[in-house]
Amino acid sequence: GESVGLHLPTLSVQEGDNSIINCAYSNSASDYFIWYKQESGKGPQFIIDIRSNMDKRQGQRVTVLLNKTVKHLSLQIAATQPGDSAVYFCADPPPKGGSEKLVFGKGTKLTVNP
Amino acid sequence: DAGVIQSPRHEVTEMGQEVTLRCKPISGHDYLFWYRQTMMRGLELLIYFNNNVPIDDSGMPEDRFSAKMPNASFSTLKIQPSEPRDSAVYFCASSFGTPKETQYFGPGTRLLVL
Repeated sequence: GESVGLHLPTLSVQEGDNSIINCAYSNSASDYFIWYKQESGKGPQFIIDIRSNMDKRQGQRVTVLLNKTVKHLSLQIAATQPGDSAVYFCADPPPKGGSEKLVFGKGTKLTVNP
Repeated sequence: DAGVIQSPRHEVTEMGQEVTLRCKPISGHDYLFWYRQTMMRGLELLIYFNNNVPIDDSGMPEDRFSAKMPNASFSTLKIQPSEPRDSAVYFCASSFGTPKETQYFGPGTRLLVL
């Protein structure tokens, strides 16, 4: 029978290419965003975060861009490697005064082809 | 640093049996979270504790689920009686300071209820 489940957006890239993973959020009052990486069989791991007073933040081979006007985040991975293959989640902690829950997006599955 | 420790890593049980999942957070962390991850629903927050006190259990699916944190270094998630629809990967995570900050996830417990 047909399987039903979350339809994860997928991105397939060649090793060495740059990857861009996108995330939209809905709460204009959100002031902090976190990206997590989940490899197969493991728990999510923190990659990078960004606060709303910034438009861009860089880490090692990763850059996060924040566009508050359109409520959009992107995670850019430079020179993608096979070890980058994973599901990537953006997480949107609630603003001050809101329910103290971290809400994860459904994730994007990145596959890096050698 | 050992990170968040979960046990067992895999559990196979029969419908109706009691299941107990265990978690040891990172030493010094004052927030502990239990999540469930399935293909259908993604990553869902079940409950979280602050300083061993349950703060928000609105994500607990029903009365068959219960969680305790008797001390700062140990928490349990119990399902009694278990049902096939409880089959999922259960993650424990911990953080320091606020629940909005970076959460450190354990490796998860893969539960299969037959």
